[in-house]
Amino acid sequence: AQKVTQAQTEISVVEKEDVTLDCVYETRDTTYYLFWYKQPPSGELVFLIRRNSFDEQNEISGRYSWNFQKSTSSFNFTITASQVVDSAVYFCALITQGGSEKLVFGKGTKLTVNP
Amino acid sequence: ETGVTQTPRHLVMGMTNKKSLKCEQHLGHNAMYWYKQSAKKPLELMFVYNFKEQTENNSVPSRFSPECPNSSHLFLHLHTLQPEDSALYLCASSQGFGASGSYEQYFGPGTRLTVT
Repeated sequence: AQKVTQAQTEISVVEKEDVTLDCVYETRDTTYYLFWYKQPPSGELVFLIRRNSFDEQNEISGRYSWNFQKSTSSFNFTITASQVVDSAVYFCALITQGGSEKLVFGKGTKLTVNP
Repeated sequence: ETGVTQTPRHLVMGMTNKKSLKCEQHLGHNAMYWYKQSAKKPLELMFVYNFKEQTENNSVPSRFSPECPNSSHLFLHLHTLQPEDSALYLCASSQGFGASGSYEQYFGPGTRLTVT
């Protein structure tokens, strides 16, 4: 069975601080995909990144960066120089190839960035 | 045009009412999904449609009835709901899935449903 754990329920930082959101996943499949989504107070989930299990290169997009480590089954997300607009709930998710198209989500981490 | 739209955005209904949620995607995707998001629970997948065919029913009670007339539209028909069905219902679409890989899902803004 697939499982995604986001151990941090809530994080509060002050603007301009760096913050890392943790994600640990479990799967027995060798081919899988990992995702991060952002859910601002408006409710809509916004897609941030997709990573497949064969690509362990870290990725940077502006202030966002992702660290994928298969050895520790982790896919952590770092926001550099956080801003108030980054305040949202962030979800990590996993889907495995070959089975049904079931995206398994973590419980989410609520990030609050204070001015 | 926003990628995935949902109507209504808010809905209050009694337990004996019948209502429908509508979702439309303008992304040319082939797969569509219904999710339920309750307070203090992870996002739960309800139904999956791929090329208009239902491929997943995640043990959803029969008081929820999906309909997918074409790849761009998805409905969720509701009847005799319970108060515990109050939640945010999210629709999503994706390019598809299968041997070619799994693609990211794009979500609509959701319908906030309250059952009284």
